[in-house]
Amino acid sequence: AQSVAQPEDQVNVAEGNPLTVKCTYSVSGNPYLFWYVQYPNRGLQFLLKYITGDNLVKGSYGFEAEFNKSQTSFHLKKPSALVSDSALYFCAVRSLYGNNRLAFGKGNQVVVIP
Amino acid sequence: DAGVIQSPRHEVTEMGQEVTLRCKPISGHDYLFWYRQTMMRGLELLIYFNNNVPIDDSGMPEDRFSAKMPNASFSTLKIQPSEPRDSAVYFCASSSGQGYYNEQFFGPGTRLTVL
Repeated sequence: AQSVAQPEDQVNVAEGNPLTVKCTYSVSGNPYLFWYVQYPNRGLQFLLKYITGDNLVKGSYGFEAEFNKSQTSFHLKKPSALVSDSALYFCAVRSLYGNNRLAFGKGNQVVVIP
Repeated sequence: DAGVIQSPRHEVTEMGQEVTLRCKPISGHDYLFWYRQTMMRGLELLIYFNNNVPIDDSGMPEDRFSAKMPNASFSTLKIQPSEPRDSAVYFCASSSGQGYYNEQFFGPGTRLTVL
């Protein structure tokens, strides 16, 4: 079965500094990888996805993620964090062998300090 | 586009009562998912439908939980009888197409509190 690990519970970063949220995955076959963001009292919002092709994927709000097959990672990055980026971030993975189930990580709380 | 609509947004009930959560997916989407989110267990998939047919309900915790999708624009998740451990935020999500590489669109959630 597919699974995702997000090793850090909380990521603290100063406003204007680079932001990285880590994600590693385990899956049979080729992975389909996703990042979602959840603001307080809201549903999850799609940020970006990797299906195939270029390992560097660009998404909404200036976020990007890099797919690394050898390290089975899909880390989320933003060059310059904003206070408004403070939220809960979820990595998710799906494969053709996973019965269309999207496996989510536990989430990382990002706190951007003004 | 109105997005995924869920009602009610908040529900407070007493143990033993029946609870019904409602969801209207995005028009044209043929997949519908029900999730539950708690601090302890994170985000869990309960059940999902394709073209109104339940495909995988292995995440439904107990027989007290049931879900239906009578048509393409409406789904319900029912808990009967409810228990305090059912307290959580319940999300509905929808997506289109094959689904493997399409993102899911989430509703705002229903915060359920069972006293």
